[in-house]
Formats: sequence, structure tokens, C-alpha cells
Amino acid sequence: AQSVAQPEDQVNVAEGNPLTVKCTYSVSGNPYLFWYVQYPNRGLQFLLKYITGDNLVKGSYGFEAEFNKSQTSFHLKKPSALVSDSALYFCAVRPNTNAGKSTFGDGTTLTVKP
Amino acid sequence: SQTIHQWPATLVQPVGSPLSLECTVEGTSNPNLYWYRQAAGRGLQLLFYSVGIGQISSEVPQNLSASRPQDRQFILSSKKLLLSDSGFYLCAWSKPDRVNTEAFFGQGTRLTVV
Repeated sequence: AQSVAQPEDQVNVAEGNPLTVKCTYSVSGNPYLFWYVQYPNRGLQFLLKYITGDNLVKGSYGFEAEFNKSQTSFHLKKPSALVSDSALYFCAVRPNTNAGKSTFGDGTTLTVKP
Repeated sequence: SQTIHQWPATLVQPVGSPLSLECTVEGTSNPNLYWYRQAAGRGLQLLFYSVGIGQISSEVPQNLSASRPQDRQFILSSKKLLLSDSGFYLCAWSKPDRVNTEAFFGQGTRLTVV
């Protein structure tokens, strides 16, 4: 069975500082990995994904994530946080098979303080 | 471009009443469709998914059912709501026959059962 762990319920950073939101996964075979963001009372929005190739993936709003196969991690990063980045972030994994479905982590609330 | 519509945005229903939430997708054909529930603003639980008209897979046995009467329409229903059915319901779609594609979410329905 596949799983996703987001070990931090809450991450607090100051505006302008770098941010990291952690994600580790477990899946049979090669994974497809995704990050989504959710603002209050809204649906999830896709940020970025890792399918294959370069381990560093760049996405929307200046976010990037690094795939580390040996550590089974896919941490979300941004060099300089904005107050508007404050939201709930979800990591998701699915196996690279036709029958695969996505499994989401429990989410990490990011708060960026001015 | 593709869009997803989900309604209503909020709903307050008494215990024992029926439920019908609707989701439609525009701008694509034969999408994979999903219903998720999000409890207390945290993790997502996959309730149902569909790869075609009349093809529904249930992930969690419960008081809810889903139907797909048309290619781009997905309906979540209940005959008698329970208090435990309260939550934030999200519809999503993904491109067919492509396992490496991200999901696109609707804006969600906040259901409160009283």
C-alpha cells in the first residue's frame, strides 16, 4: 500500500526567509509525486509534479521541490517566502501504473509572518 | 480551456434528509472523476472515482453513493444524512489514460448536517 507522510502539521517562517515543507512517501515501483496548495474554503490547486528526469522540479509561484529517491522524499521549497504563501499544502503520490490512484498527505499549514 | 463546476458552495441539511451534490467538467472528454471528503481542514479521503459513464468505484463503504449519468457529470448522493457526513466535499478531474497527470479540483461544498 502507498502512503504519504507530512511530518509537520504547522510551519512558521518570516517573510523573505526560505521555506521548506517536508514530504516522505512509500509506494511500489517508481512514484509520481505532486504538491497542491489550498486556501481557506477553496479547492486544491496544483503547484508542481515530479514524473521523471531532473530531480529538481520548478512549479508555480516560485515554488520548487526536490525528489530524493534514496530518502523517499519530495520536499517543497521556496527561496523567499511571501505572506501570501500562507496556506495549507498537500503532498500526493501515485504509482506509475494505470490502476494507480493518488494518496494525499494530511497537509501542512504554512504561516508566513511579516 | 477546461473548467470544473461544483455546487452548492455551502449546504446545511438536517439529519435524515437526502443529499445531492453535483459536479460538471467542461472542455474535455472522458475525464477521470473523483469525490473527496476533507474533514476538519486536513487530509483528503477518496470516496469515489469514475473512469467512464456508469463506472463507479467506491473506496470507503459508507452512507454515500455516486453516479455518473453523463460523461462530464458526477453526482454525490445520500438517502439519509448522518451527523458524521458533515465535511468539505471536493470534486476533481484528471485527464484520461494518463497516470502522470495532476488533478484539478472544484471549489468544494461545505456540508453541515444538523
